[in-house]
Amino acid sequence: GNSVTQMEGPVTLSEEAFLTINCTYTATGYPSLFWYVQYPGEGLQLLLKATKADDKGSNKGFEATYRKETTSFHLEKGSVQVSDSAVYFCALSEMGGGNKLTFGTGTQLKVEL
Amino acid sequence: NAGVMQNPRHLVRRRGQEARLRCSPMKGHSHVYWYRQLPEEGLKFMVYLQKENIIDESGMPKERFSAEFPKEGPSILRIQQVVRGDSAAYFCASSRNGRLEQETQYFGPGTRLLVL
Repeated sequence: GNSVTQMEGPVTLSEEAFLTINCTYTATGYPSLFWYVQYPGEGLQLLLKATKADDKGSNKGFEATYRKETTSFHLEKGSVQVSDSAVYFCALSEMGGGNKLTFGTGTQLKVEL
Repeated sequence: NAGVMQNPRHLVRRRGQEARLRCSPMKGHSHVYWYRQLPEEGLKFMVYLQKENIIDESGMPKERFSAEFPKEGPSILRIQQVVRGDSAAYFCASSRNGRLEQETQYFGPGTRLLVL
């Protein structure tokens, strides 16, 4: 079956540091890939997505590239801010998979001054 | 332009009681999804519904759990005879037409269920 593996957190960075959160996936077909962000006490918000190999999703300074050869979708940001502190979830959905999302376990990011 | 609404936000039940979780999708959305987040885990898909139809319930436990999305009113996730292991955050999401390539799933704030 489908699965998503994320690096464990928490990840603690200083403001303006470079961020990478690793995500790899296993899927039988050609999934769409997503990063969601969850701020404390809130629901998940879509951060970015990519629907086919070599696509790059980007939003609010975050980027992730769909790498089919390495089955990865790593999240990056060049300069994090305190306001980026949240839990980040990598997820996939598979064509014909009934529209359900398969999530990783989430990575907590803490950004300090 | 209200987002996905869930209520209650927090729910406390004793073992053996029933829990009813409500989800109102975004305006114009007719597809609803329920996910469960156990402590220290990611979200797990439970069920996918359209108005008056269950499309995919492959993630629902076989007993005590049921879901509906009537023609009028919110979607309801019902848990009968709750046990401590049901304690989790339950998230609802909605989309307009169910094709993720074109339509995003928008999530509600979740209901935190605590079973004593």
